[in-house]
Amino acid sequence: GAVVSQHPSRVICKSGTSVKIECRSLDFQATTMFWYRQFPKQSLMLMATSNEGSKATYEQGVEKDKFLINHASLTLSTLTVTSAHPEDSSFYICSASEGQGTKRYFGAGTRLSVL
Amino acid sequence: AQKITQTQPGMFVQEKEAVTLDCTYDTSDPSYGLFWYKQPSSGEMIFLIYQGSYDQQNATEGRYSLNFQKARKSANLVISASQLGDSAMYFCAMREGMNTGFQKLVFGTGTRLLVSP
Repeated sequence: GAVVSQHPSRVICKSGTSVKIECRSLDFQATTMFWYRQFPKQSLMLMATSNEGSKATYEQGVEKDKFLINHASLTLSTLTVTSAHPEDSSFYICSASEGQGTKRYFGAGTRLSVL
Repeated sequence: AQKITQTQPGMFVQEKEAVTLDCTYDTSDPSYGLFWYKQPSSGEMIFLIYQGSYDQQNATEGRYSLNFQKARKSANLVISASQLGDSAMYFCAMREGMNTGFQKLVFGTGTRLLVSP
C-alpha cells in the first residue's frame, strides 16, 4: 500500500529555534497534503491543507507566519515551526491523498518538544 | 456543533469478544464519507474502514465492520473477536463534499479501547 514517510520522528529543540518537518509520499503523487496537530490524549486538529505549487490554506486560528508550509513537489511537503516556544510542543502528523481518492495516508508523526 | 461525536472516552473488552465503538456525525451534505482510524501508542494513524454516504451496504474489512445507520447519522465501528493488539485509540472521521475537490477530514475526540486477556 501507499506509504507516507515523515521525518524526524522526534525532535527536541531550544526555545527560539526553527524546526522543519518533512512529509514524503513514497509511491504515489500527493496532490494534496494535510498537516495536523495533536495534543496529548486529544484528537487531531487540522492545521492546514496544501496543494502542490500553491499556497497552503490554513485553518482558523493557525498562525501562517508561525507554521510555514511548503508543498514544492508532488511528493514532498514541509512544515516549519518558526521560533518555536514550549507551547508549540505537540505531536504533528501529516497526511496525503492521491487525487480525489477516498484513501488518506498518514505519516508516523513527529513529536516536537521545545525546551 | 460538533461534526463528529464519540461519546465513549474509554472502552474495555475481553479478548475474543466483540466490541462496538460509537460515532455520530452531523452534516447537511448528501455526499460524505466516514472513516475509522486506529492510533496505537506509537502515534501512527492506521486506516481501518470507509463508508460512503451512498453505499448501500455496510462496509466490512476483516474483523472490522461499520454499522451505518444513515437516518440516525451514526457510523459505529464493530470489532469482532478482539485481540490484545487491538488496544489503541480509535478515531472516527468524516469528509464532506466527496464529489467535489473538498477534502478536509474532521476527526472525533477518539475512544481508547483496552483489550484484556
